[in-house]
Amino acid sequence: QQKVQQSPESLIVPEGGMASLNCTFSDRNSQYFWWYRQHSGEGPKALMSIFSNGDKKEGRFTAHLNKASLYVSLHIKDSQPSDSALYFCAVPQVVGQLTFGSGTRLQVYA
Amino acid sequence: NAGVIQTPRHKVTGKGQEATLWCEPISGHSAVFWYRQTIVQGLEFLTYFRNQAPIDDSGMPKERFSAQMPNQSHSTLKIQSTQPQDSAVYLCASSLASGTGGAYNYAEQFFGPGTRLTVL
Repeated sequence: QQKVQQSPESLIVPEGGMASLNCTFSDRNSQYFWWYRQHSGEGPKALMSIFSNGDKKEGRFTAHLNKASLYVSLHIKDSQPSDSALYFCAVPQVVGQLTFGSGTRLQVYA
Repeated sequence: NAGVIQTPRHKVTGKGQEATLWCEPISGHSAVFWYRQTIVQGLEFLTYFRNQAPIDDSGMPKERFSAQMPNQSHSTLKIQSTQPQDSAVYLCASSLASGTGGAYNYAEQFFGPGTRLTVL
C-alpha cells in the first residue's frame, strides 16, 4: 500500500524567502504527483502536478521529481503571507483516489 | 462556475444519531470522490463514483457508512449511529474522467469546502 511522507511538519519563512517542502513515496510504480494547498476553512486546491523526472516551474513554484529516489519536492520562491497554508503531496492510485501525505504547515511572516 | 458545493458546512449530531452530507460536483465532471480529514489521520480516501456508478469504497468503514450518487448532480454520504470518532471534516471532490495517459486516475481533483461534522 502506498505510503506518502512529508517533511517538515511545519515551516516558518520570512516574506520574500524560499520555502522548501519534501515528500517521499513508497510505490516505485507511481507515475504522477500532485501538490495541493489548503487554506484554513477551505478544501485543498491543486497547485501543480509533475510526472517527468527533473524540475517543473510554474510562476513562483517549482516542483522537482526523482522517481528513482522516490522523492518529490516543492519550492516556493519569494514567499508571500498569502502562501501561508497547509501543503500536501498527493499520489493518484490505480482507480483515481489520491493518497495524501500528512502535510506541511507553512507560515510566512511579514 | 460555483465549484464543488457541499452542504451543510457544519453539522452537530448527538451520539447515535444519523448524519447525511450532500455534495454537488462541478457540472460535466464524471468522477466524484469522498475523503475525510482529521488532525490525527490526515486526509483519507473513503469512496469513489464514476458516471454515478460506485467504483471503489475501500476506505469506507463498513458498518455505518454508505454513499450514493442517484444522479450526476449530487452525491450523499450517510453515517448511521454516529460516534464521536466520526467527528471530522468530510470533503467531496470531482474531476473530469480523463487525464494524462488516457487514464482516469491523473486528472486534477477539485475539492469542495467540506462539511465539519461534530458528534457530541
